[in-house]
Amino acid sequence: GAVVSQHPSWVICKSGTSVKIECRSLDFQATTMFWYRQFPKQSLMLMATSNEGSKATYEQGVEKDKFLINHASLTLSTLTVTSAHPEDSSFYICSAIAGGRDEQFFGPGTRLTVL
Amino acid sequence: RKEVEQDPGPFNVPEGATVAFNCTYSNSASQSFFWYRQDCRKEPKLLMSVYSSGNEDGRFTAQLNRASQYISLLIRDSKLSDSATYLCVVNGAGSYQLTFGKGTKLSVIP
Repeated sequence: GAVVSQHPSWVICKSGTSVKIECRSLDFQATTMFWYRQFPKQSLMLMATSNEGSKATYEQGVEKDKFLINHASLTLSTLTVTSAHPEDSSFYICSAIAGGRDEQFFGPGTRLTVL
Repeated sequence: RKEVEQDPGPFNVPEGATVAFNCTYSNSASQSFFWYRQDCRKEPKLLMSVYSSGNEDGRFTAQLNRASQYISLLIRDSKLSDSATYLCVVNGAGSYQLTFGKGTKLSVIP
């Protein structure tokens, strides 16, 4: 149990386009989902915390208008990178927790390359 | 001071060796502590939680020293399959948010 999927697993896009990444909890209801970003040889950095039905809480330095997060259901959160630029190229990972538990279950990640 | 700091690594050890990783954290209010393992280009996976009394899971032993804000991971009898990056992770008080260290890369050599 406690499987989290992400789609797509990798994406290559042109500068200026928008990219949507989906994060799904497959066998549990995720009250809270988290979005992380990891640059090469760096630690995972939390971008935002997403609670179902409410606005996401963004970490300092993360532009909410550039990284749009929607958590419309208990099993799906989406991250849209708007007007992507090469510096947005990174490994984006989501995680989810079920109500009453504190263990985070991570998705397999999405590797974004912006040309 | 960074929130979670780890040994810079990389650690290159022969099969069967014992290796230890250290980690310090800056937030004294932190409540939960973990070691995660991350393989190249993959998501992190929980290796073990770390408890104040210390805990062991097979060849892996984790220790926590709250007074020194220090966490350790000991791997005995290293296997080739242990090669990965080990992440020290801390959870803030009353929060689900995790703070990750940069990780220490381990390569176990035949």
